[in-house]
Amino acid sequence: EAGVTQFPSHSVIEKGQTVTLRCDPISGHDNLYWYRRVMGKEIKFLLHFVKESKQDESGMPNNRFLAERTGGTYSTLKVQPAELEDSGVYFCASSQVGQGGTEAFFGQGTRLTVV
Amino acid sequence: GENVEQHPSTLSVQEGDSAVIKCTYSDSASNYFPWYKQELGKGPQLIIDIRSNVGEKKDQRIAVTLNKTAKHFSLHITETQPEDSAVYFCAASGGNNRLAFGKGNQVVVIP
Repeated sequence: EAGVTQFPSHSVIEKGQTVTLRCDPISGHDNLYWYRRVMGKEIKFLLHFVKESKQDESGMPNNRFLAERTGGTYSTLKVQPAELEDSGVYFCASSQVGQGGTEAFFGQGTRLTVV
Repeated sequence: GENVEQHPSTLSVQEGDSAVIKCTYSDSASNYFPWYKQELGKGPQLIIDIRSNVGEKKDQRIAVTLNKTAKHFSLHITETQPEDSAVYFCAASGGNNRLAFGKGNQVVVIP
C-alpha cells in the first residue's frame, strides 16, 4: 500500500511568486492534515480536512495560504504571494476516521525555500 | 492550546546503551501521545503511541511511559543501534485530532 506522497520534494521560489504543494493521502483515509516546520522550531499544525470539508483551519498563518481538497482525495496548499518567512518544510499527513485516536501517517515533506 | 516541551534537544549514546527522551504537555484534556522518528530526507514515521488509559507500552526495544498526574511522557530505547540515530518528536492530541509537537530531539548512536 502506498504511503502519503507529496510533490514536489523541494521548491525554491522568489518572494512574491506563487507555489502550489500537493499531497496524496493514503487511500481510504478521510482525515488529511497539513503541518509546517520552520527551521529549528516544532512542527506546527496548519489545517485539517475531513473528506473535502475543512474541519479546522485555525493554524493557517494568514490569507496568503489556501488549501483545497476537491473530491476528498488529494489536497493542494497554495501560497500566494510567498514571503521569506514562509520558508520551511511542509508536511501532509492522513489518518482513518474512527480509530479512537489520531494515528497519523506523514509524507516525506516539501521543503520550500523563498528567496 | 496544547504546549509540548521536549528534552534534551540532543542526545549522544554509545551503541548498546539506553536512550531516554522526556516530554511534558500542558493540556490535561490530551489523551493521545505518539512518538515519531524522522530520518534524513524522510518524513516523520510513527514508531509508538500511548493513550491516556494506560501507563506504559512496549514494542521490542522501544517503550513509552505516561504520567498523567505530572503531565509527562517518555520514550525509552534500549540496546541502541546505529540505525536508531534520527530526530525523534513527541506529540500530544486531545479530541480535536490535531497534534501538538515538541521541538524534536537529535539522537546520535556512537558505534
